[in-house]
Amino acid sequence: ETGVTQTPRHLVMGMTNKKSLKCEQHLGHNAMYWYKQSAKKPLELMFVYNFKEQTENNSVPSRFSPECPNSSHLFLHLHTLQPEDSALYLCASSPYDRGVRLAGGEQYFGPGTRLTVT
Amino acid sequence: GQQVMQIPQYQHVQEGEDFTTYCNSSTTLSNIQWYKQRPGGHPVFLIQLVKSGEVKKQKRLTFQFGEAKKNSSLHITATQTTDVGTYFCAGSSNYQLIWGAGTKLIIKP
Repeated sequence: ETGVTQTPRHLVMGMTNKKSLKCEQHLGHNAMYWYKQSAKKPLELMFVYNFKEQTENNSVPSRFSPECPNSSHLFLHLHTLQPEDSALYLCASSPYDRGVRLAGGEQYFGPGTRLTVT
Repeated sequence: GQQVMQIPQYQHVQEGEDFTTYCNSSTTLSNIQWYKQRPGGHPVFLIQLVKSGEVKKQKRLTFQFGEAKKNSSLHITATQTTDVGTYFCAGSSNYQLIWGAGTKLIIKP
C-alpha cells in the first residue's frame, strides 16, 4: 500500500534534538491525522487537519508541533522530547465532508515512524 | 468522557477455532469501524457499519452493529495464521472517533 507514506520509518533522537516527521498522502483526501501508538495503550489521536486547518488538538504537549502546508502533506516537528515520547507515530488520512466536523469515514494509515528518545 | 471498551485484550486460539472481539460504547454511535493491525504493521481499514442491527460479512469475518448502536462485534470463523494481529474498533460519536484498545489474536502453535 503506498496511499500514505511516512518518513523516516525509524528515528532515534536525544532529548535535546530537533527533528521532523513527514507524511504524504496520494489519495486525494482532505483530512489528515497524527496518532501516537504506545505499547498496551489505545491509539491516541494527537492532531487533526481538515482542508489544511487544524480542527483537533488533544492536549498534546507543545514539544510536538504539527504543520500542514497543503491537503497532501503533514509534518510533526519534535523538540526537547522525553523518553516517554518513544512510540510509533502514525499518520492517517480520510475523506472529509464539509458538513461534518470530523470525518466519520474510514482512515488510511501510513506505515508509521518508530521513534526512540534516548 | 466518551469511551469504547473492547474485550478481550488477548485471545489465544488453536488454528481452526473461532475468534470474537466485542466493543461497547458509553454513548450511541453514529457508525463504527473495524481495523486490523498485523504485527509490525499499521492499522488497515476493514469495514464500516452505520445502520442499527447491521450485519456484514467478509469471507470468514462477520461484523455486527447492535440495535442500540452502542455495541459491535467481529467474529472470525475457523481462524487461520493469516488472521494473526490486533483488531481495533473505532466508533464515531459527537464528531469524534473513539478507538478501542484492541484485541490481539494469537494462534497457538
